[in-house]
Amino acid sequence: AQTVTQSQPEMSVQEAETVTLSCTYDTSESDYYLFWYKQPPSRQMILVIRQEAYKQQNATENRFSVNFQKAAKSFSLKISDSQLGDAAMYFCAYQATGGGSEKLVFGKGTKLTVNP
Amino acid sequence: KAGVTQTPRYLIKTRGQQVTLSCSPISGHRSVSWYQQTPGQGLQFLFEYFSETQRNKGNFPGRFSGRQFSNSRSEMNVSTLELGDSALYLCASSLVPGSSGNTIYFGEGSWLTVV
Repeated sequence: AQTVTQSQPEMSVQEAETVTLSCTYDTSESDYYLFWYKQPPSRQMILVIRQEAYKQQNATENRFSVNFQKAAKSFSLKISDSQLGDAAMYFCAYQATGGGSEKLVFGKGTKLTVNP
Repeated sequence: KAGVTQTPRYLIKTRGQQVTLSCSPISGHRSVSWYQQTPGQGLQFLFEYFSETQRNKGNFPGRFSGRQFSNSRSEMNVSTLELGDSALYLCASSLVPGSSGNTIYFGEGSWLTVV
């Protein structure tokens, strides 16, 4: 079974600085999707960024970028120019392709605090 | 357009009772999935539905069940509630399951407290 591990339960960053959240996963599949979701206090999960495993280029969405290392099964999230609104729980998630299932396998999450 | 809507948002039930949670997906979305979120176990997949058919089910006891209606709305039911069922239940929807580049949208969840 696929597993996702986030080794940093909590992280903090100064406003305007850069922070990197770590995620590793385990799978025997060669094609899959990886996601980072943000969960603010409202508890609604918000998609931050998505990476397709067969694409070697790292995904980028404005201040958010990933470092996808397929061989190492690593998928870290870099937040540049951190803002107070970035404070939230961040979850790394894995999704298998094929079979038509939408099932997401989540890590335990990293709580990000942004200090003014 | 409206997002994923879950009702009720908060509820308190007594052990042994049953509960039904409702989820209305984004208009046009036909795939609905459910997750349980607890401090101890994190986010765990419950089940997913497409075209009124359960396509996948997580590792939960038979007390947890769900269904999807022809308008894609979904309900989940938990019978014989236990204290450990206290959790945030999240519903998510997407256009069609397994489509390349599919974005999954989540609701704000239903907070269930079992006393």
